[in-house]
Amino acid sequence: KNQVEQSPQSLIILEGKNCTLQCNYTVSPFSNLRWYKQDTGRGPVSLTIMTFSENTKSNGRYTATLDADTKQSSLHITASQLSDSASYICVVSARRDDKIIFGKGTRLHILP
Amino acid sequence: ETGVTQTPRHLVMGMTNKKSLKCEQHLGHNAMYWYKQSAKKPLELMFVYNFKEQTENNSVPSRFSPECPNSSHLFLHLHTLQPEDSALYLCASSQANSNTGELFFGEGSRLTVL
Repeated sequence: KNQVEQSPQSLIILEGKNCTLQCNYTVSPFSNLRWYKQDTGRGPVSLTIMTFSENTKSNGRYTATLDADTKQSSLHITASQLSDSASYICVVSARRDDKIIFGKGTRLHILP
Repeated sequence: ETGVTQTPRHLVMGMTNKKSLKCEQHLGHNAMYWYKQSAKKPLELMFVYNFKEQTENNSVPSRFSPECPNSSHLFLHLHTLQPEDSALYLCASSQANSNTGELFFGEGSRLTVL
């Protein structure tokens, strides 16, 4: 069964600190993995996309990694800012039947 | 601004009401989607339209009725809803039906059913 599991469910850190969010998936055959950021009351916005051959991708202070062998991905946020407070959703696409599977998200709170 | 506009942003309705959610995309995409987002649950795909044709209906109850008059507009007609239908309804668009394509989401319509 295709599944995407994210951890932790929620996370609270102080402004300026770094953090790492985790995503494990069982989607097969794998096509690509995206991380989305969803601010409260807004729609999700794509941060990064990685295909099978890519193992790291950066977007400003956000760095995503992918280990296709262990089927794990992480999203590292450096020098967090108050505006990073949001839900971060891991989304994996399957090559067969074009299915897109969403994780439940990690709710990140940045405290001043 | 993602290029996908949803109205209304908030809607409160009784179980006997009929209402509609509207979505419009200005990105030239040819695939549009309705998703349901409930608290602590992953986004649930409801309907997919490719080139105005419905290609997916994920066992959604008939009290939700989609309409896609053209590739830029998508509606979700609501009738005789239940309180458990209260959720954030997200519209998205993408290029063709490629699963490598990025989904562009609207801001969502927050629905409360009394």
